[in-house]
Amino acid sequence: GAGVSQSPSNKVTEKGKDVELRCDPISGHTALYWYRQSLGQGLEFLIYFQGNSAPDKSGLPSDRFSAERTGGSVSTLTIQRTQQEDSAVYLCASSPSGGGNGNQPQHFGDGTRLSIL
Amino acid sequence: AQSVTQLGSHVSVSEGALVLLRCNYSSSVPPYLFWYVQYPNQGLQLLLKYTTGATLVKGINGFEAEFKKSETSFHLTKPSAHMSDAAEYFCAVTGNTDKLIFGTGTRLQVFP
Repeated sequence: GAGVSQSPSNKVTEKGKDVELRCDPISGHTALYWYRQSLGQGLEFLIYFQGNSAPDKSGLPSDRFSAERTGGSVSTLTIQRTQQEDSAVYLCASSPSGGGNGNQPQHFGDGTRLSIL
Repeated sequence: AQSVTQLGSHVSVSEGALVLLRCNYSSSVPPYLFWYVQYPNQGLQLLLKYTTGATLVKGINGFEAEFKKSETSFHLTKPSAHMSDAAEYFCAVTGNTDKLIFGTGTRLQVFP
């Protein structure tokens, strides 16, 4: 079956522009996660959705970062006024359920490689 | 609080040799532990996971890992390396929250 789909696969933009990254999780998965992978910081958690609500936003690095999820499915991560330090690979993952049960394996998309010029 | 330490950012082995990738964890609650593999320009693929029960966990592609509570370790092994095993490997932990806390990764090189 289809896995986690992310778009675009690559995005190059100028400093100061806004960007939107999209994640389409595995059908039926209620939990959705965003992570960031960068050379300096490794793999970092950004935000977790259970359905359409986000009980854990603790990893968002600044108020320029926001995310939403609609219909319990697709999620978009928005970065406003991009900075060069935002350059990274943004990974999305989904799992069948969340709710504090950390034993659910997360299934990852191939990521969006974001480059800020 | 939870954390993961992966010893060795790079490991090189010959094809057919034993693969050993080290992972130690810290957790204030019973941990759930995972190993993921990442091939170039791809996302993370789950190799195996430990939740409860049997401490020796078998995964895909011939990999296995043993949960040792006394040593707070979850090392990944494979008896015989294959060229296709060359990739980056990440150990991760969760507990009573859902977010994965990752180690810094180990890049495995396999030489013919």
